[in-house]
Amino acid sequence: GAVVSQHPSWVICKSGTSVKIECRSLDFQATTMFWYRQFPKQSLMLMATSNEGSKATYEQGVEKDKFLINHASLTLSTLTVTSAHPEDSSFYICSATFGASGIYNEQFFGPGTRLTVL
Amino acid sequence: AQSVSQHNHHVILSEAASLELGCNYSYGGTVNLFWYVQYPGQHLQLLLKYFSGDPLVKGIKGFEAEFIKSKFSFNLRKPSVQWSDTAEYFCAVIRMTTDSWGKLQFGAGTQVVVTP
Repeated sequence: GAVVSQHPSWVICKSGTSVKIECRSLDFQATTMFWYRQFPKQSLMLMATSNEGSKATYEQGVEKDKFLINHASLTLSTLTVTSAHPEDSSFYICSATFGASGIYNEQFFGPGTRLTVL
Repeated sequence: AQSVSQHNHHVILSEAASLELGCNYSYGGTVNLFWYVQYPGQHLQLLLKYFSGDPLVKGIKGFEAEFIKSKFSFNLRKPSVQWSDTAEYFCAVIRMTTDSWGKLQFGAGTQVVVTP
């Protein structure tokens, strides 16, 4: 089946530093990747949609300069949390799909990355 | 605000009991509907989905869901649960509009605990 990996699985960083999270589709080419954020005991909130070779589309309220997304290849998307602060601590999950923007195609989810900012 | 609502945050039941999880959405147009499951320590997995056609859809592991358009509902059911069904269940919706292309909107999730 389609497998999506994330690296790292958890990261602890100091306030003010930047953290990069990778999302890889291991056995398929992902035309579209999505980044979600999940707070404890809450649902996944879509942050941005990333299409290979183009700029990411951010959801309302998500700071583009804070959460930099790069989708440089069909198997890799990265999320960089710049100048991280404690309020950015969360569980970040990516998903990937092949085909037209995931409408009729299943999104395959990564295992998530736990970010803790001290 | 437009949203996806799951009625129960926590459900505890015994093995062999029947399970029904409620999901309602508030979007007025055409939608695609999904149920995802997250087992402890694992990533989200698709249980089943509805795009069109027969409103009663069958998924993996004996789960099924019924789309009732008039009620804006997509409830998940399983006639007889097993201990291995302990997990968190998420209902999700994709609105079929140009600005929501492929974007999953998730409910808050329901934590299901099945006791032996």
